Amino acid sequence: EDKVVQSPLSLVVHEGDTVTLNCSYEVTNFRSLLWYKQEKKAPTFLFMLTSSGIEKKSGRLSSILDKKELFSILNITATQTGDSAVYLCAVADSGGSNYKLTFGKGTLLTVNP
Amino acid sequence: DAGITQSPRYKITETGRQVTLMCHQTWSHSYMFWYRQDLGHGLRLIYYSAAADITDKGEVPDGYVVSRSKTENFPLTLESATRSQTSVYFCATLGGYNEQFFGPGTRLTVL
Repeated sequence: EDKVVQSPLSLVVHEGDTVTLNCSYEVTNFRSLLWYKQEKKAPTFLFMLTSSGIEKKSGRLSSILDKKELFSILNITATQTGDSAVYLCAVADSGGSNYKLTFGKGTLLTVNP
Repeated sequence: DAGITQSPRYKITETGRQVTLMCHQTWSHSYMFWYRQDLGHGLRLIYYSAAADITDKGEVPDGYVVSRSKTENFPLTLESATRSQTSVYFCATLGGYNEQFFGPGTRLTVL
C-alpha cells in the first residue's frame, strides 16, 4: 500500500521566516510527487517533481525531490500571511495502466504578522 | 467557463437516502477522480476513471457507486447514506502534465 508522511503536521512562524516542509513516501510504482496548497477551498497545484535533484521554483516557493531517500521538501522563503494554508504532498502511482494519487495528511502552516 | 464544476456545493440528507454528487469538466481530460477529505485523514481516493466507461476503486470505495457514460461527467452516488459519509467531496481531473486539478468541493452532511 502506498504511503505518504508529511512533517511537521503544523507549524507557526512569523512573517519573514523561512520554512521547510517535509514529505516522505513509499510507493510501488513511482511516477511523480506533487505539492498542493489548500486554503479554505479546493487544493491548488504548486509543483510536480519527477527527477531527483532538480529544483522547481516559483517565486518564494521551491521544491526538490530525492528519489533515493524517498522524500521531498518544500521551502518557502520570506513568508507572508497569505502563505497560511495546508500544504499537501501527494505521490502518483502508475501501476499497470492506471494512475492515482496518494496524499499525505498535510502540514498546516500559520504565518503570523 | 472552463474547468471543473461540482453540484450541489452543499447538501444535507438523512441516513438511508440516496445522494448523487455531480462533477462536470470542460477540458476533456481522460482521468477523473473522486476524493473525500476528513479531519485527521486528509484526502482519500474513493474512485477514479481512466476514460468513459472505465472506472476503478480507490482507497475507500465502500458505500459509493460511480459511472462515467460521458468523458465530461463523473457522478458519485451514495446508495444509502450513512453518518460516516459526512465529509467534503472533491472531484479532480488529470492535466496534460499529470497534475490534478480539483473542483470546488461538495460539503455533505448526513443526519
